[in-house]
Amino acid sequence: DSGVTQTPKHLITATGQRVTLRCSPRSGDLSVYWYQQSLDQGLQFLIHYYNGEERAKGNILERFSAQQFPDLHSELNLSSLELGDSALYFCASSGAVGNTEAFFGQGTRLTVV
Amino acid sequence: DQQVKQNSPSLSVQEGRISILNCDYTNSMFDYFLWYKKYPAEGPTFLISISSIKDKNEDGRFTVFLNKSAKHLSLHIVPSQPGDSAVYFCAASGVHSGNTPLVFGKGTRLSVIA
Repeated sequence: DSGVTQTPKHLITATGQRVTLRCSPRSGDLSVYWYQQSLDQGLQFLIHYYNGEERAKGNILERFSAQQFPDLHSELNLSSLELGDSALYFCASSGAVGNTEAFFGQGTRLTVV
Repeated sequence: DQQVKQNSPSLSVQEGRISILNCDYTNSMFDYFLWYKKYPAEGPTFLISISSIKDKNEDGRFTVFLNKSAKHLSLHIVPSQPGDSAVYFCAASGVHSGNTPLVFGKGTRLSVIA
């Protein structure tokens, strides 16, 4: 158990809809990262938050947004969903701003139909 | 443009033998490298890491080697066990150059045959 909790584990939704994925980092970790893993792809970095502030953006679509709350949990919002958004979405946390050993949650498998 | 490349999608090794997984990177700003292991339906699990000031780091059966001039690292698993069968991801970061997030390769699926 990495200590990082993601909910829900599975999500099936229709095209055009909006969903919210939730992540609770390890106790004490201030950094939260979101990654997307599509079929046959590696983990693509989406966005990084540190103590409530956005620190870095990767290949995140404009239809996607995230935030980190005062209690350090984070949410990833995906809107106007398309079939191609079907993927595994992972959240990771670490104790430092420098992303050294990040600990990953079990992921949310999103299926857009 | 892939900054971290794992050119072997899969690898099969006999139990007890050595498994060698390779990784190449292109960004000279990377100075911290990690290997993660992933089982199906689970998140990646941190395995071992190495800083660019070292060329080798060992942890039990796992050793990571770094060749900075070639921008190449490898993970050696000796002896390989059936429980090592998983997807292994190489990742890199620029810890001392702007705190860049981890950049991952596409992974290598290791199968250890009993």
